[in-house]
Amino acid sequence: GEDVEQSLFLSVREGDSSVINCTYTDSSSTYLYWYKQEPGAGLQLLTYIFSNMDMKQDQRLTVLLNKKDKHLSLRIADTQTGDSAIYFCAESGAGGTSYGKLTFGQGTILTVHP
Amino acid sequence: GAVVSQHPSWVICKSGTSVKIECRSLDFQATTMFWYRQFPKQSLMLMATSNEGSKATYEQGVEKDKFLINHASLTLSTLTVTSAHPEDSSFYICSAIRREGRQETQYFGPGTRLLVL
Repeated sequence: GEDVEQSLFLSVREGDSSVINCTYTDSSSTYLYWYKQEPGAGLQLLTYIFSNMDMKQDQRLTVLLNKKDKHLSLRIADTQTGDSAIYFCAESGAGGTSYGKLTFGQGTILTVHP
Repeated sequence: GAVVSQHPSWVICKSGTSVKIECRSLDFQATTMFWYRQFPKQSLMLMATSNEGSKATYEQGVEKDKFLINHASLTLSTLTVTSAHPEDSSFYICSAIRREGRQETQYFGPGTRLLVL
């Protein structure tokens, strides 16, 4: 089955850039997502990228996709203490019975120090 | 933006009782909703796909008789954990698909924390 893996922890200083990495195995993934989860809360969609793109930028967020290596990264520029949270990458299949069903990575706990 | 709510936000129950969790799309209609479960310090695992007006589709390993799903209207799906046991204690999160023309976006609810004593 599909598998999505992330590094578990990342610690950065306020103002620095954060880079969270993710690898996946499903070559038929259509969309790849980044979600943010704050303590005790549900998921907030940060951004997503279609599988035929290699980069997407949205304000402080930059997503890079290397489809050949099945590697996805999320860069947060000028990281703030409010960015401290768990970040999940997720992938969805090509459609049919896979449509909308997301496979999540384990989540990366981002800690931002003042 | 689109909002998905869940009720209750947390529940504590005795072992052997049943618990119902509601998932509502507040400003859009959702023919498809999903139920996920998240154990502490773990990722979200998809439990089932809830389809309005038809039976839910369960993922492998999820007992359909234990986790009853009803999607009776376009804005409400319910998950009932029947005869709950301590191992069912978890964070249950639903999501709903919003369709606008050709664009489809998945919105997540805030989650329901279940503790079974």
